[in-house]
Amino acid sequence: DAGVIQSPRHEVTEMGQEVTLRCKPISGHDYLFWYRQTMMRGLELLIYFNNNVPIDDSGMPEDRFSAKMPNASFSTLKIQPSEPRDSAVYFCASRTDRSVSYNEQFFGPGTRLTVL
Amino acid sequence: DAKTTQPPSMDCAEGRAANLPCNHSTISGNEYVYWYRQIHSQGPQYIIHGLKNNETNEMASLIITEDRKSSTLILPHATLRDTAVYYCIVRPNFGNEKLTFGTGTRLTIIP
Repeated sequence: DAGVIQSPRHEVTEMGQEVTLRCKPISGHDYLFWYRQTMMRGLELLIYFNNNVPIDDSGMPEDRFSAKMPNASFSTLKIQPSEPRDSAVYFCASRTDRSVSYNEQFFGPGTRLTVL
Repeated sequence: DAKTTQPPSMDCAEGRAANLPCNHSTISGNEYVYWYRQIHSQGPQYIIHGLKNNETNEMASLIITEDRKSSTLILPHATLRDTAVYYCIVRPNFGNEKLTFGTGTRLTIIP
């Protein structure tokens, strides 16, 4: 199993540009999570999906952020327009209801975003 | 979810047991204790979880006190690869998907 796949691994962009982060969850997993990690705020949940449906987006910082999951094997997190304060590492995670370790979330390697 | 308190940092000699404490004095009856770790520049990794009984898996052991107000994660034979930030999280096992990561304990394994 390849694990959770994220792309790109690093992204450098200028303020005002649109940024799209991508995630492929582990095959068969029902839940997908987007997290953001910064030095100031630590690791925080932005949004999560169950069976491709957004369930809780209360962690999304503002309207500039949007997330979609068009199918079970792909999700995007978009920032438009981007701002320097969006600089962070963004993690995607997935899990299944059918694992022995119930509620274990598997994290991807993250995307390091730098907005200049 | 109940709040957790962990020491900010700890050192442990390679080959020795690493004991990481966590206080969760406001834990409620339906909340589990979860442990994750994050090795530098990687995503967090699940270690173990438990409700009230002690648990053991191939990575670690989890000891939960009888009153459930605190717990200890034990890495029995620490290696340099165990250097990481360890997070103790308390949450219900059902109905709430949110993992609230605090500041964790930065464990450094000393050769």
